[in-house]
Amino acid sequence: GAVVSQHPSRVICKSGTSVKIECRSLDFQATTMFWYRQFPKKSLMLMATSNEGSKATYEQGVEKDKFLINHASLTLSTLTVTSAHPEDSSFYICSATPYPSVTSGRDNEQFFGPGTRLTVL
Amino acid sequence: AQKVTQAQTEISVVEKEDVTLDCVYETRDTTYYLFWYKQPPSGELVFLIRRNSFDEQNEISGRYSWNFQKSTSSFNFTITASQVVDSAVYFCALSETNNDMRFGAGTRLTVKP
Repeated sequence: GAVVSQHPSRVICKSGTSVKIECRSLDFQATTMFWYRQFPKKSLMLMATSNEGSKATYEQGVEKDKFLINHASLTLSTLTVTSAHPEDSSFYICSATPYPSVTSGRDNEQFFGPGTRLTVL
Repeated sequence: AQKVTQAQTEISVVEKEDVTLDCVYETRDTTYYLFWYKQPPSGELVFLIRRNSFDEQNEISGRYSWNFQKSTSSFNFTITASQVVDSAVYFCALSETNNDMRFGAGTRLTVKP
């Protein structure tokens, strides 16, 4: 249980285009979803936190107009990288926190998706 | 704000050696959770363990063991009799009650045959 999927797994796009990444909790409803970015050989850095039906909370230094997050339902969050540039090339990972008691013994935990590798040419 | 330090950037060992990955954390909360994840070259994070702040009991799972010491704010991870398949980047992470998770910088472990 507690499976999170991301689509696409890899995307290559031209500079200036927008890219949408989907994050889905497949077998549970998520109270909160998180988006992380990981540059090569670096750690995961939290970009934003989102709850269904409300605006995302962005970490300091993350441009909310560039990284649009939509959390349309309890099982789906999307991250849109607008007007992508080569410096946005990175590994984007989402995670989701289930409602309590769905995942026995692992309440308040984040379950991670497999990641999306974005390359902007 | 919470902070996680993994001082070892890279470790290289020969197969069958034991290896310990260090993790030191900082938090003002009395309730928090500590995690270890493995990230192989594919990039997907593999959950290894979660420990809450009230449970200082050490844990062993096969060749893996974890030593949680609140007195030194450390949560170290030991792999016994390492294997080539253990080669990966290992992340220690800390989550406070607001679910805000912070990762350490990661330790790249290379196990040579």
